[in-house]
Amino acid sequence: DTAVSQTPKYLVTQMGNDKSIKCEQNLGHDTMYWYKQDSKKFLKIMFSYNNKELIINETVPNRFSPKSPDKAHLNLHINSLELGDSAVYFCASSPLDREAGELFFGEGSRLTVL
Amino acid sequence: GQNIDQPTEMTATEGAIVQINCTYQTSGFNGLFWYQQHAGEAPTFLSYNVLDGLEEKGRFSSFLSRSKGYSYLLLKELQMKDSASYLCAAMDSNYQLIWGAGTKLIIKP
Repeated sequence: DTAVSQTPKYLVTQMGNDKSIKCEQNLGHDTMYWYKQDSKKFLKIMFSYNNKELIINETVPNRFSPKSPDKAHLNLHINSLELGDSAVYFCASSPLDREAGELFFGEGSRLTVL
Repeated sequence: GQNIDQPTEMTATEGAIVQINCTYQTSGFNGLFWYQQHAGEAPTFLSYNVLDGLEEKGRFSSFLSRSKGYSYLLLKELQMKDSASYLCAAMDSNYQLIWGAGTKLIIKP
């Protein structure tokens, strides 16, 4: 019973394509996140959703769009992929929208753009 | 600006003790977190400090000094499986986590 699951785990695609990564959590948490971890290992927050409302949106290109059909799911759609989008994307969830430092991460989705 | 500093890499010997330091500068402060990340895996939560002092949890302890903007993670009785990256993250006044780049810990037999 995986708490936070994301698919696919590996994704290789060409520049210019559109792709999606799905995330689901069965922890009953209120907040879900998308993080990008590049080759230098910095974790950068991209989006945060609380009860289907976007509450954080860092300086992320609008080619990236989060979609949350319900509280347990937060998908990431990427248009017109670029080489610099190659990274590992982690989905995470936390129980509260505030004081939410204890994150539960998915296993990550390694995206390679050729 | 907001910033987290921690060493890039450390090496230690199996059975020994190692201390990983972290300094932070944030707009407000709502706690300091340590996460462990094995290569190719997701980060997992280790500890949370919001008050000054030492929090012990088995072989791992975490210390915080808010006045100095400083924390450390102490790992005792090192095991080979402790080889991983250790990420320090501070929570700012907006309850956003500011992450360090992580310290890669290499354990040698």
